[in-house]
Amino acid sequence: DTAVSQTPKYLVTQMGNDKSIKCEQNLGHDTMYWYKQDSKKFLKIMFSYNNKELIINETVPNRFSPKSPDKAHLNLHINSLELGDSAVYFCASSQTTSPETQYFGPGTRLLVL
Amino acid sequence: RKEVEQDPGPFNVPEGATVAFNCTYSNSASQSFFWYRQDCRKEPKLLMSVYSSGNEDGRFTAQLNRASQYISLLIRDSKLSDSATYLCVVPLLRGSARQLTFGSGTQLTVLP
Repeated sequence: DTAVSQTPKYLVTQMGNDKSIKCEQNLGHDTMYWYKQDSKKFLKIMFSYNNKELIINETVPNRFSPKSPDKAHLNLHINSLELGDSAVYFCASSQTTSPETQYFGPGTRLLVL
Repeated sequence: RKEVEQDPGPFNVPEGATVAFNCTYSNSASQSFFWYRQDCRKEPKLLMSVYSSGNEDGRFTAQLNRASQYISLLIRDSKLSDSATYLCVVPLLRGSARQLTFGSGTQLTVLP
């Protein structure tokens, strides 16, 4: 009965590689988000999609590209990984009518070596 | 001034103690506020919302002081299971979208 799921949970990779993180929610929400939590625990929004349409795109390098094939999925592809990309990436979802009540996935711990 | 600012702690308190955290925000137009809780190596989860002067839920009380632009979270009769990081969250309007701005969190450890 997982609400928001992410894969993989852990990702260890070399600098310069390309990797993807997948997110799925079964709550029937129409808005999904990607957040990055760095080593200092700051949680910052990266992207937000509403009904498959990009509505928030914070200052994130072009190497990060979100893709939403449908309302229940929001994937994150990262090209040319850098050391500074090491962080925990959280996916979240909410209803448009209640954007403050967000449900987070378990997080993907990315370590770039 | 940061958009959302919290005392990072850590707060180490004995079981049964009362502890309070403060959070200040910079946007005076903000109308609603939230506290999320994040356990170690877990995802954040919504704890409480504050829309007017305050909100109470069992041992937890959230209060809002609009004049001074701060929100507080009071935990009474602390339990070991209350140990976590408490995130102050303020929704801010970015263009046509409301996005959550998180404070850096206040770490609480309840000791036996």
